[in-house]
Amino acid sequence: QLQLRESGPGLVKPSETLSLTCTVSGGSITSTNYYWGWIRQPPGKGLEWIGNIYYTGSTYYNPSLKSRVTISVHTSRNQFSLQLTSVTAADTAVYYCAPIQPGGNWFDPWGQGILVTVSS
Amino acid sequence: NFMLTQPHSVSESPGKTVTISCTGSSGSIASNYVQWYQQRPGSAPSTVIYEDSQRPSGVPDRFSGSIDSSSNSASLTISGLKTEDEADYYCQSYDGSTFWVFGGGTKLTVL
Repeated sequence: QLQLRESGPGLVKPSETLSLTCTVSGGSITSTNYYWGWIRQPPGKGLEWIGNIYYTGSTYYNPSLKSRVTISVHTSRNQFSLQLTSVTAADTAVYYCAPIQPGGNWFDPWGQGILVTVSS
Repeated sequence: NFMLTQPHSVSESPGKTVTISCTGSSGSIASNYVQWYQQRPGSAPSTVIYEDSQRPSGVPDRFSGSIDSSSNSASLTISGLKTEDEADYYCQSYDGSTFWVFGGGTKLTVL
């Protein structure tokens, strides 16, 4: 059974780069079944899809964030990562990672999430 | 871009039935599957309905999902409401090409 866990700094300064890692256990990130996704949720607000990656490196990004987002995959470590550049307070959120189930294109299971605060 | 619209909040009494809607902005909502997630305070979302109407194992059959093509909307229905059902509920779909989208979320109050 897949389990995912987000890790990284909980505090990032404005204008700097947010970097997070998602570690996958209970399965291989090179599985042909899944894309791997990032989703975020600002405090008190709804969910926003950030982007997805396949183990080959193929990516899809939310157009609203595309100019600032890079998602990478690290197959030897069974991890994938998120980089978001030029952050502002509006990027303060809980960031989740999850695999995308084939067929219905749904996210499951979700990692526990990590709160990233953008503040000086 | 494709958008999904949900009511901000709904409320109902224990034991009753409530329905939460999710309306697509363009195209046919029936063209791609709709999922529903439950999120309790302080927790990550979890799936209660996938592929329009399928329940993951462990989700009670009080939860059901449907699609209404005439109104271009999906619905989550919870019957026999329990206080433990109080949570935020999000619908989610995919534009069939390159874009995954969530609805804005509905806060369910069971009072």
